[in-house]
Amino acid sequence: SQKIEQNSEALNIQEGKTATLTCNYTNYSPAYLQWYRQDPGRGPVFLLLIRENEKEKRKERLKVTFDTTLKQSLFHITASQPADSATYLCALSISGGYNKLIFGAGTRLAVHP
Amino acid sequence: DGGITQSPKYLFRKEGQNVTLSCEQNLNHDAMYWYRQDPGQGLRLIYYSQIVNDFQKGDIAEGYSVSREKKESFPLTVTSAQKNPTAFYLCASAYMGLGVPDTQYFGPGTRLTVL
Repeated sequence: SQKIEQNSEALNIQEGKTATLTCNYTNYSPAYLQWYRQDPGRGPVFLLLIRENEKEKRKERLKVTFDTTLKQSLFHITASQPADSATYLCALSISGGYNKLIFGAGTRLAVHP
Repeated sequence: DGGITQSPKYLFRKEGQNVTLSCEQNLNHDAMYWYRQDPGQGLRLIYYSQIVNDFQKGDIAEGYSVSREKKESFPLTVTSAQKNPTAFYLCASAYMGLGVPDTQYFGPGTRLTVL
């Protein structure tokens, strides 16, 4: 079956450290992968997109890698801050006639002062 | 939350009642989506629409209905046939263009509780 897996356990880190979140998938061949941030009780907000032919993408303190051989994406936040605390969702874009995103369940990140 | 609004933010429904959730966008996006989010699960697609007066079922359409009479609006009706409607409902929209990745813009969500 097709699956997207994100670590269901919360990730707790100290302020200033680098947070690394993982997104693994099986049985998909995504054209690209997106990462969203979701705060409690609110809608997700788009952060970064990486295409299947790209290995790495950066935006300020954020970095995303995409390994289509391992079927894995890593999402890094460097110099983390308490304000980065949220749930982070990965989403695969599957080509095939319409714009459809398949979302993972998300990983909750808590950055402690 | 961009240019997408959802109302109401909280909604309470008695069993057996139909309720309609509103979603409006001013981003001039062609595509609109409805998702359901339950604790510990990813967003699940209920319905989507790529053009006015046309829409398709997503993965969990049973017990729901939609309409797309205007480009800006995509209301979702949760019918009494939906067995477990208590959830957080999210509306999203996206620009559609050839070769353009479909980044989705989400509304603030509606939390529906069945009493």
